Amino acid sequence: QITLKESGPTLVKPTQTLTLTCTFSGLSLSTTEVGVGWIRQPPGKALEWLALIYWDEDRRYSPSLKSRLTITTDTSKKQAVLTMTNMDPVDTATYYCVHAREAAGTISHWGQGNLVTVSS
Amino acid sequence: DIVLTQSPLSLPVTLGQPASISCRSSQSILYSDGNTYLNWFHQRPGQSPRRLIYKVSERDSGVPDRFSGSGSGTDFTLKISRVEAEDVGVYYCMQGTHWLYTFGQGTKLEIK
Repeated sequence: QITLKESGPTLVKPTQTLTLTCTFSGLSLSTTEVGVGWIRQPPGKALEWLALIYWDEDRRYSPSLKSRLTITTDTSKKQAVLTMTNMDPVDTATYYCVHAREAAGTISHWGQGNLVTVSS
Repeated sequence: DIVLTQSPLSLPVTLGQPASISCRSSQSILYSDGNTYLNWFHQRPGQSPRRLIYKVSERDSGVPDRFSGSGSGTDFTLKISRVEAEDVGVYYCMQGTHWLYTFGQGTKLEIK
């Protein structure tokens, strides 16, 4: 059974850097074709892809946010970390961690989400 | 980026009646491997989205057969043959063919 869980702050101040961790079980980023990504959803709005990392450390970023985003994995390959710099109130959203198998073009599993509010 | 345009954005439906949601892509999402990576997700209030359909018409395990997906190229449709109370929420299409993967704006289904 695959599960993903996001952890991180619920409140950050403008200009600060956000760091979110996705801890997953039932899959590993050392396994061929595994991919883990981040998607966000502002309150009452649609979903937006942010970043994706694959088992071979191929990384994809939203072009509009690329300068602010970094996605990495830890040495255990059981976590994926997203950092987003220079946070702004418009970045207030629920941030989801997802499993997206390489070359499958889909999302098979979602985390529960982590609501991050950006406010001074 | 590929833009997915859903319609309608609001869909009031009577219980037991059919419902249909359109998703149109700004360009073809047919991939070079012959697959079209068009997905449909359902999100209930306060919950994470759940996948219903992948590769246009493949229904996920556990998804009732009243849900069906169809389409090709740039035009896709999600149909619910008979709406039930548990179907309320927001439906999103998503293309996974070209990075940046993108979602539609969402269609909110409510019971009349």
